[in-house]
Amino acid sequence: AQSVTQPDIHITVSEGASLELRCNYSYGATPYLFWYVQSPGQGLQLLLKYFSGDTLVQGIKGFEAEFKRSQSSFNLRKPSVHWSDAAEYFCAVASTSGTYKYIFGTGTRLKVLA
Amino acid sequence: NAGVTQTPKFQVLKTGQSMTLQCAQDMNHNSMYWYRQDPGMGLRLIYYSASEGTTDKGEVPNGYNVSRLNKREFSLRLESAAPSQTSVYFCASSAEVGGTQYFGPGTRLTVL
Repeated sequence: AQSVTQPDIHITVSEGASLELRCNYSYGATPYLFWYVQSPGQGLQLLLKYFSGDTLVQGIKGFEAEFKRSQSSFNLRKPSVHWSDAAEYFCAVASTSGTYKYIFGTGTRLKVLA
Repeated sequence: NAGVTQTPKFQVLKTGQSMTLQCAQDMNHNSMYWYRQDPGMGLRLIYYSASEGTTDKGEVPNGYNVSRLNKREFSLRLESAAPSQTSVYFCASSAEVGGTQYFGPGTRLTVL
């Protein structure tokens, strides 16, 4: 069955430090891959997406993610975290054929220390 | 440009009461979705509508019904609310199934 795993429930980093949020998926083919961010009390906003092509994708707010087929991973990175990046981050996968599936991970809550 | 709107923002119900959550999008999207978000469980799909005139069950459809009223509007109905339905409900839309989803601000529902 398809699944998305975000192994880190909480991550704390200092402002200015680099960030990597992990996402692993289980899927029979190459899915569409997404990262969303949710600020407190808000809906989700798309950071970036991978459909095909270059495996390193750039998103908004200085985020990037790399699709690694061999590791079934789509990790989110940012070279220097800002205090405003504190939020919850969700990885999601969508099916590319057959029965529709759009599965979200359980989220990683990011805390940024001043 | 409003994007995806949801009403109400907050609602408190008693067990057994019914209510309808409203969702509308102004992006001319074909597909619309209803999710619930519970702590530690991420978002779980309740129902979706791939296009106007069609609806399908998601991961957790029990206790809910939906109506795709037209291309813009997709409502979620709780016929007999239960405390287990206390959650935050999000509506989303996308141009096509599997594409980037745009989310509304959510409805926080409490069932006593």
